[in-house]
Amino acid sequence: TQLLEQSPQFLSIQEGENLTVYCNSSSVFSSLQWYRQEPGEGPVLLVTVVTGGEVKKLKRLTFQFGDARKDSSLHITAAQPGDTGLYLCAGAGLSGNQFYFGTGTSLTVIP
Amino acid sequence: DAGITQSPRHKVTETGTPVTLRCHQTENHRYMYWYRQDPGHGLRLIHYSYGVKDTDKGEVSDGYSVSRSKTEDFLLTLESATSSQTSVYFCAISDWGTTSNTQYFGPGTRLTVL
Repeated sequence: TQLLEQSPQFLSIQEGENLTVYCNSSSVFSSLQWYRQEPGEGPVLLVTVVTGGEVKKLKRLTFQFGDARKDSSLHITAAQPGDTGLYLCAGAGLSGNQFYFGTGTSLTVIP
Repeated sequence: DAGITQSPRHKVTETGTPVTLRCHQTENHRYMYWYRQDPGHGLRLIHYSYGVKDTDKGEVSDGYSVSRSKTEDFLLTLESATSSQTSVYFCAISDWGTTSNTQYFGPGTRLTVL
């Protein structure tokens, strides 16, 4: 069961442009994570958001957790080639101890 | 980086042979997970463990078994490998029960079943 929908699936932009990736669900999560994965490697944690409405910034990356804790967004300002990769969102369920993943957004930043 | 290692990192095997993948953590986290990642399917949960000798099935558990005899080690076994099990396998650990409820991933094992 795919609980998290990510959009867009693919994104190719020029260096310096801004972009936003969305992670949506009809389910409520206790927390939500964003990861970046490069070819041949495991997903690397970027951020965890816990509180509804929470905004976290990591240099040029801004993460927001929806007020109802059902959705999240990742905004990248002035994208650079080093931002290229697969971005995954994952929600931690309210009950049990499982995490639910989106299918990912493949980002390519062209120099 | 979370202290998670996986071995082997790459393996090629033949259909019908048994295969065991190992995940080792140094974080003393209670929860450990095995996922497979395939194009078009994202990360899918195979099995997870919530303590020594405590395991449960995930979304795609058929053909796989797991064991956890120590907190730091979680083994995934393919009893009789099939070509459909060719995939990249990731182990993860979690600090579930803390405020953040976050997973951390290992580097992955690329398995090819011929």
